[in-house]
This record gives sequence, C-alpha cells and structure tokens, in this order.
Amino acid sequence: NAGVTQTPKFRILKIGQSMTLQCAQDMNHNYMYWYRQDPGMGLKLIYYSVGAGITDKGEVPNGYNVSRSTTEDFPLRLELAAPSQTSVYFCASSYSQGETQYFGPGTRLLVL
Amino acid sequence: DAKTTQPTSMDCAEGRAANLPCNHSTISGNEYVYWYRQIHSQGPQYIIHGLKNNETNEMASLIITEDRKSSTLILPHATLRDTAVYYCIVRPSQGISQAGTALIFGKGTTLSVSS
Repeated sequence: NAGVTQTPKFRILKIGQSMTLQCAQDMNHNYMYWYRQDPGMGLKLIYYSVGAGITDKGEVPNGYNVSRSTTEDFPLRLELAAPSQTSVYFCASSYSQGETQYFGPGTRLLVL
Repeated sequence: DAKTTQPTSMDCAEGRAANLPCNHSTISGNEYVYWYRQIHSQGPQYIIHGLKNNETNEMASLIITEDRKSSTLILPHATLRDTAVYYCIVRPSQGISQAGTALIFGKGTTLSVSS
C-alpha cells in the first residue's frame, strides 16, 4: 500500500490565484482530513469527510473548499490564494472517527 | 486547546532509552492517549496509543499511570533517526462531534538524539 499520497510537494502561488491540492489513500478508509500547519505550531483541521459525498468544516475552513466524490480521493481547493494561506498542508485518513489517523507527506504552499 | 502538557525539549544519547513524559490530568474515561511524532518536514507519524493498560509495539512502549493523569512514551534504544517532535494527544474513541474528529496537536516535545 502507498498509504496517503499528496501532490504537489511544493507550490508557489501569486495572490489571487487558485489551485487544488490532491490527496489520495489506498487503505479503503472512510474518513479523510485536511490539516494545515503554520511554522512552529501544531496542526489545525480545515475540513474533513466521513465518506464519499459527505464533508464538513473543521476549525479553519475559510478560504478553502473540498469535495469527496470517491472513497480514495479528497482534494482541497484554494480559490483566491492569500498570503495567510502560506503553510504546510497535510492530508490524513482513518477507517473511522475514533481510529488512528495516518498522514501524507504534506504540501508546502507559499503565497506571494 | 491541547489537553496535554509536555516538556518543550529533551536530549538523549544514542543507544539509551528516551522517556518522554506527558501530563493529561483532565482526561476523561473514554479518552485514549495517542502519541505521534513529526520528523522535520514530514507528516506526523503514528507511534502508539492506549486507554489504561500499558502498551508496547515495535516502535515504543506506553506507560499510563493508574489514575490515567499522566503517561510516558519510551523509546528503548534511541537512534539519530528518532530526533523529532513528539506529540501526546488525548481524544475520545468515538463520537459524532467535531471534538472527537480532529487530532489536537500542541507544541509537543522536541527530542534531540545525539551520538
């Protein structure tokens, strides 16, 4: 199993541009999550999904959108990039809510 | 806010045991203690978790006090590759609230293993 994969690894965006961060898992997990980690800080939940077609907001959802059309994929969309969205983004998955979450390698995003 | 307290940093000599403490005095009966670590620039890596019994796996051992108000993660023979930030997290085993969904990461303990 590849586990949780994320693309791209690194991206530079200009203010106002849009992009989609890709996340995929091959563990047949129902739950998927997007976190962001600012320098020197812990992770904060952006959005999560409990299954295909079902998503919900986390602690810091503003400026982001998600969709979950398949069990495997959970892309994160930034519509109008802002410098405050400069961060490292981690995708994670788990079989159910109370189960262990497994993380991807992260996407580093720089908005200038 | 994180419901755990950890020392900011610790040092350990290579080959020795690393004992990382965590206080979680407000833990409730249905909450597990989880440990993750994050090696520089990588995603968090699951290490171990437990409810009230001590646990051991191929990576580490978890010792939870009888009153469950604190725990210790033990890396029995630390190597340079164990240098990382270690996070102690408490979370309920199930529930439908968002509080049970997100892993609440504090600032963790930065473990430095040196030769």
